[in-house]
Amino acid sequence: GNSVTQMEGPVTLSEEAFLTINCTYTATGYPSLFWYVQYPGEGLQLLLKATKADDKGSNKGFEATYRKETTSFHLEKGSVQVSDSAVYFCALSDRRNTDKLIFGTGTRLQVFP
Amino acid sequence: DTAVSQTPKYLVTQMGNDKSIKCEQNLGHDTMYWYKQDSKKFLKIMFSYNNKELIINETVPNRFSPKSPDKAHLNLHINSLELGDSAVYFCASSLSSGSQYFGPGTRLTVL
Repeated sequence: GNSVTQMEGPVTLSEEAFLTINCTYTATGYPSLFWYVQYPGEGLQLLLKATKADDKGSNKGFEATYRKETTSFHLEKGSVQVSDSAVYFCALSDRRNTDKLIFGTGTRLQVFP
Repeated sequence: DTAVSQTPKYLVTQMGNDKSIKCEQNLGHDTMYWYKQDSKKFLKIMFSYNNKELIINETVPNRFSPKSPDKAHLNLHINSLELGDSAVYFCASSLSSGSQYFGPGTRLTVL
């Protein structure tokens, strides 16, 4: 079945460091891929998405590229801020299957000044 | 101007009780969802409704019953609450094949 695998957290960085959170997926067909962010005590917010191979999603300085050949959708940011501290979820949606979102286990990011 | 809202935000109750969580969206979306997030932050879909019709029903105990009175509302009723039901429940909505937008969550604690 479809699944998403994320790197274990927490990821601990100093402000202005480079961030990579790895995400790989297993899916039949051509899923859409998403990154959601959950700030402490809040719900999930859509951060970025990509709907086909080689698409790059970007938002708030975060980027992720849909790599079909490596079945990956790694999240990157060039310079993190303390306010980026949150839990990040990679997810896929198999459009053939009524748009059900399948989430990874989440990766906690902690950024220190 | 809240997009997806849920009530209540916190719910503390005793085992065996029956409780409901309400969800409303004002985005004009036609599809609504319920997800459960456990203590380890793992998120899993429970139900999905499209135009008031149930389209996804994952392996969820039949103590959980969603009800969609109209396209803008999807409520979750839980009978005979158990300790293992303690979690954060998120409502979400989307246009068909569109991105899903989540509510703030309802933290359910069963004592």
